[in-house]
Order: sequence, then C-alpha cells, then structure tokens
Amino acid sequence: DTAVSQTPKYLVTQMGNDKSIKCEQNLGHDTMYWYKQDSKKFLKIMFSYNNKELIINETVPNRFSPKSPDKAHLNLHINSLELGDSAVYFCASSHTGRKTQYFGPGTRLLVL
Amino acid sequence: QQQVKQSPQSLIVQKGGIPIINCAYENTAFDYFPWYQQFPGKGPALLIAIRPDVSEKKEGRFTISFNKSAKQFSLHIMDSQPGDSATYFCAASMGTSGTYKYIFGTGTRLKVLA
Repeated sequence: DTAVSQTPKYLVTQMGNDKSIKCEQNLGHDTMYWYKQDSKKFLKIMFSYNNKELIINETVPNRFSPKSPDKAHLNLHINSLELGDSAVYFCASSHTGRKTQYFGPGTRLLVL
Repeated sequence: QQQVKQSPQSLIVQKGGIPIINCAYENTAFDYFPWYQQFPGKGPALLIAIRPDVSEKKEGRFTISFNKSAKQFSLHIMDSQPGDSATYFCAASMGTSGTYKYIFGTGTRLKVLA
C-alpha cells in the first residue's frame, strides 16, 4: 500500500534514555515533517525536511535531532528523554510546492 | 498571530444533524485551509481543503465555508452519521520555498448519536 508509515507504533522508555522513531513514505514526496500531538490533542509542527535539507525547525529542544537519509525517510532521534516528551509523534509528507500533507499513523511515546 | 482558534471543543449531535465547526485566524499570510479528521489511535486524514479565493467548497457531505474578510472558516457535515464521530482539526498553511507548515486548531471532538 502507498502510505506514510512509522515505527515503532508504541514506545515505552525510562527518563534519560535515548530513542529513535522512523518514518518512511512511498508516495514519491520530497518534503517530510514531524509533528507532536500532546495529551490535549494539540498538534504542533516540529521539523520539516525538503530533499534531505532541514527547512523548518520550530524551537524544539536540541535533544531532538531529525535525520533524513534520503527523500523517502525522516527519522527522529531523541536524547535524554524527559517526562514531558510523552506524546504522539506524527510524520507527514507532501510534494514540494503542494500544500496537502499526508500523515502517518503516529508513534505513541511514553516516558516513565 | 500564527494561532488558529477552533470552536467548539466538543459537539454532540443526533444522527442526521448538521454539526458546524468554526475556525478563525489572524495572519493574512495563510493561503490554504485544510480540515483533518482523526479517529482514536490513528493519524489525521485529510477531509477537505479550501483556498482563500473560494467562498465555499463541497465534497460529498462535507462543506467548507470561507469568509476572507472575517478571517473565518467553518466545516459543515451534512446528514451526519455515527461513523463521523471523530476529532476534527482545522489548519492554516503558510510557507516559502515550496515547503509549507500547518498551524492547527485545537480540535473538536464530535460525537454523532445513533
């Protein structure tokens, strides 16, 4: 199926650990995004990459480091996890110049 | 100025009713306004979207009304069904160099009673 996919779906970890979330899209898009949805369901953009280049970085702590090995993948590495990082993280993608974004199923991160 | 205000926070309607969700924005640089539907445990899925040069757009049972002068837009769901029970998010898009970011509203939890 053509889609935006994320792994893992669930992630439970201890405070202070380092973890990564992976995103892949097979829609042929060249722009990818990370959004964070907090416990109140508020969705906020974190990063955007276009052709592997960082375009948007929305005042996210530098413990969060996105990496785009190629146009189809955008990973999110989080160092020194904190309780406040518990949220659902969504990856999205779009064509450059097109405004419609397609979202993945989300990764539910719980930091204990 | 980059906020998108959404109301109501929650909404309960009877089957066949017409729920209306409203959004307002301040920044006139926004140039694309999508609505997303999110079911529990799933990612947001695009429902319908509108550009500011259009006052209304219909797709199936979903209609966006857009008032550029008031900087407001709304989603109407005609003949609502229990399967429409979900959280709805409006968003506004702005950007440059071909990359656009969405500013989302706070979401409306809709419940359609059978």
